[in-house]
Amino acid sequence: QQQVKQSPQSLIVQKGGISIINCAYENTAFDYFPWYQQFPGKGPALLIAIRPDVSEKKEGRFTISFNKSAKQFSLHIMDSQPGDSATYFCAASMYFPGTYKYIFGTGTRLKVLA
Amino acid sequence: NAGVTQTPKFRVLKTGQSMTLLCAQDMNHEYMYWYRQDPGMGLRLIHYSVGEGTTAKGEVPDGYNVSRLKKQNFLLGLESAAPSQTSVYFCASSSPDRGVGELFFGEGSRLTVL
Repeated sequence: QQQVKQSPQSLIVQKGGISIINCAYENTAFDYFPWYQQFPGKGPALLIAIRPDVSEKKEGRFTISFNKSAKQFSLHIMDSQPGDSATYFCAASMYFPGTYKYIFGTGTRLKVLA
Repeated sequence: NAGVTQTPKFRVLKTGQSMTLLCAQDMNHEYMYWYRQDPGMGLRLIHYSVGEGTTAKGEVPDGYNVSRLKKQNFLLGLESAAPSQTSVYFCASSSPDRGVGELFFGEGSRLTVL
């Protein structure tokens, strides 16, 4: 019930294409859903996040789509660029006594071909 | 503006040796976390701290100890290293000021146990 399932494990997209990464969760107590981007040799960095009271959030070429009833959310990268090549982690967070608990997906390695 | 700094960045240990990873943050964050990252397993929480002098167990605490003697520092110790502890370790911090907050990660510490 604490897991966040992420797919696909890896993804290859042509430059200019759309990259789509999916995540699913089970615990309805989660109330914050961030996506983190990680480049090789670096730590993850927050890319975009959404709360369950909205169905979509867009920031530039990055969009989160959220389906509360299905307990699924996805990251869409429009006009994918080689610079987007990185590992992407979805996460789900909820309040835990004293702090916020984050559960991360297993990651998707994205490669955008030039 | 260093953010979250981890030392050392790389370390090789022999089975049974001990070591300490140091995490320092300059953002005055209350919460600090230690995660480990393994291929195909995402980020798993080892221990966390909600304030100076407090620590708590995360998802995979066995074989690790932590201390938070100063607000800005969070130490992760391995008393008797095992090959299963070969991993990349990430420290993160966040602030509860605005509810659930963004996690700020360090660049990681790659540990190999032979």
